[in-house]
Amino acid sequence: GAVVSQHPSRVICKSGTSVKIECRSLDFQATTMFWYRQFPKQSLMLMATSNEGSKATYEQGVEKDKFLINHASLTLSTLTVTSAHPEDSSFYICSARRSSGGANEQFFGPGTRLTVL
Amino acid sequence: SQQGEEDPQALSIQEGENATMNCSYKTSINNLQWYRQNSGRGLVHLILIRSNEREKHSGRLRVTLDTSKKSSSLLITASRAADTASYFCAAFSGGYNKLIFGAGTRLAVHP
Repeated sequence: GAVVSQHPSRVICKSGTSVKIECRSLDFQATTMFWYRQFPKQSLMLMATSNEGSKATYEQGVEKDKFLINHASLTLSTLTVTSAHPEDSSFYICSARRSSGGANEQFFGPGTRLTVL
Repeated sequence: SQQGEEDPQALSIQEGENATMNCSYKTSINNLQWYRQNSGRGLVHLILIRSNEREKHSGRLRVTLDTSKKSSSLLITASRAADTASYFCAAFSGGYNKLIFGAGTRLAVHP
C-alpha cells in the first residue's frame, strides 16, 4: 500500500509550451500533497504545498503563475509548468501525505524528468 | 531553505567498509528521517528516528540523533556496491507542515 504515481515519468518539450505533471495516490487519500524540484546533484527543494480543494501555498521564490498547482481530489494533484524555458528543466517529485495517518506518513512519487529544449 | 546540512557531500569507499554520513539541522524537530535516492530515481524511506530516541537500527543501518547538537548520523555497515546512491536527511519545518531535505551525501561503493 501507500503508492504514489507520477505521469509522465519523462517529458521533453519545446521552450514556450506548457507541461502538466500528474501525481496520484493510488491506494490512499491524500489531503495534502507536496511538489519538490531537484536539479542535478542537488537536494530536493520544496516548491509548494497543495491542499485538496484550496489554493496551494508556494515557497519563497517560486512563481505561482508559472507553476500552477491544482489539487482537485483527494487522490490527484497536478503541476503545470507554464511557458516552460530551458532553466525549468529539472526532476520534479511529488509527495502525498495520507489523510488518515500521522504527519510522518508521507510518500513519494518516482519523479518526472522535464527537459525543455 | 534546507532544514539540514550534510557532510560529506560525496563519499567514496570500497565494498565491505562502513560509510558514515552526518546531518545537521537548524530548528527544533519532532523526528528526523533518512532517505535514499538512486541516480535519477525516486526516494526510498530508510528510517525515522524520533527526538526522544538517541539511536536506532535497521538491518545494516544505524542512525543516531543528538538533539543538543542538532545533528544526526547515518552509518551503513559492511557496504555493498548496491548501496551506491545519494542519501538525504529530512525533517519537518513549520510544525508538521513541510518536510525539508538536507543537501545530501553522494555515496559511491566500489567493488
